[in-house]
Amino acid sequence: AQSVTQLDSQVPVFEEAPVELRCNYSSSVSVYLFWYVQYPNQGLQLLLKYLSGSTLVESINGFEAEFNKSQTSFHLRKPSVHISDTAEYFCAVSEVGGSGGSNYKLTFGKGTLLTVNP
Amino acid sequence: NAGVTQTPKFRILKIGQSMTLQCTQDMNHNYMYWYRQDPGMGLKLIYYSVGAGITDKGEVPNGYNVSRSTTEDFPLRLELAAPSQTSVYFCASRGSQETQYFGPGTRLLVL
Repeated sequence: AQSVTQLDSQVPVFEEAPVELRCNYSSSVSVYLFWYVQYPNQGLQLLLKYLSGSTLVESINGFEAEFNKSQTSFHLRKPSVHISDTAEYFCAVSEVGGSGGSNYKLTFGKGTLLTVNP
Repeated sequence: NAGVTQTPKFRILKIGQSMTLQCTQDMNHNYMYWYRQDPGMGLKLIYYSVGAGITDKGEVPNGYNVSRSTTEDFPLRLELAAPSQTSVYFCASRGSQETQYFGPGTRLLVL
């Protein structure tokens, strides 16, 4: 069974500062990796994902994450954050099945609340 | 496309009451999921469905039931509400490239 650990429950930063949200996972098989974002009083939205290919993946709003298989990590980074990035961020994993598809179930970390202060 | 819709948005139940949380998606997705979100605990999978007529338990199924008679609808039933079921419930459906699409959530308070 897979598991996800988000090492920081809260990360406060100032606007325009860089940020890294850490995520480690555990699985006995290959995995797909995801970051979802939840703005206040809303559902979750996919931010970015790693399925295969390049280990560095990017979102349209400047976030990036790198899949590191040896360290079983998928940390999320942004070089310069905005007030509007204030949200809760969830790392998630699903296991790759024998046919290449996932086991269709996401396992989430406990979330990291990113607060961007002016 | 409305995506994934959930009703109601908020509900207060008394202990022992029952209710159904509604979830509908208009994307023709086969896979659908119910999660609960508790503060500081992330999301836990309650039940999921791989298509009409097929459902299976997730990580925390006790106290809940589901059915899937159509591709579009995936209701979640609470038979005897307990305070431990106070939570925010999210429905999701799985599209292409492993992406799950989430509804806006139902906030449930059991008193």
